[in-house]
Amino acid sequence: EAGVTQFPSHSVIEKGQTVTLRCDPISGHDNLYWYRRVMGKEIKFLLHFVKESKQDESGMPNNRFLAERTGGTYSTLKVQPAELEDSGVYFCASSQVGPSTDTQYFGPGTRLTVL
Amino acid sequence: GENVEQHPSTLSVQEGDSAVIKCTYSDSASNYFPWYKQELGKGPQLIIDIRSNVGEKKDQRIAVTLNKTAKHFSLHITETQPEDSAVYFCASLYGGSQGNLIFGKGTKLSVKP
Repeated sequence: EAGVTQFPSHSVIEKGQTVTLRCDPISGHDNLYWYRRVMGKEIKFLLHFVKESKQDESGMPNNRFLAERTGGTYSTLKVQPAELEDSGVYFCASSQVGPSTDTQYFGPGTRLTVL
Repeated sequence: GENVEQHPSTLSVQEGDSAVIKCTYSDSASNYFPWYKQELGKGPQLIIDIRSNVGEKKDQRIAVTLNKTAKHFSLHITETQPEDSAVYFCASLYGGSQGNLIFGKGTKLSVKP
């Protein structure tokens, strides 16, 4: 069974540009989460989808970040315009709905560098 | 806000020794506590988890203990091997959410052969 995949693995952009990150969850996982780790800090929750609906977006830092999950399969996270403080590693995770819903499986992450 | 404190930030042990990493959480409503291992260039991998209705869980060389009263939980690795070298993260599930994991800052474990 394929794990959570993320694309790209690395992205280097200039301040003010736009970047879109993609996450493909484990097949059949209706829960999809985005997290971010800024250098030297904790991994922090950004938001949670159940299928195509946003269940919790309390961790989204500001309105420059837009997450979508059209069709309830893969998700994208767009940063527009990017700022220096957006640099970090963006992780996606997924889990099943049901008794194991708490068990989140993480992807390899996308390392974003904003210059 | 709610947080998870993790100690130590770095830990170096000799192969074969035991390693212990400790975490303290603040959210009284938390009831799920996973541990993740992150190797270089990879994402966090779940290695063990525990729920608040048990005090201890073991899986081969790794074990986790939970003290809900003190809001402490710990990871124990016995008979460490060089391949155990990685960054380990503890986390707690924020009680008011359905998926918001609150992470500690991580412990870099080095196992010397």
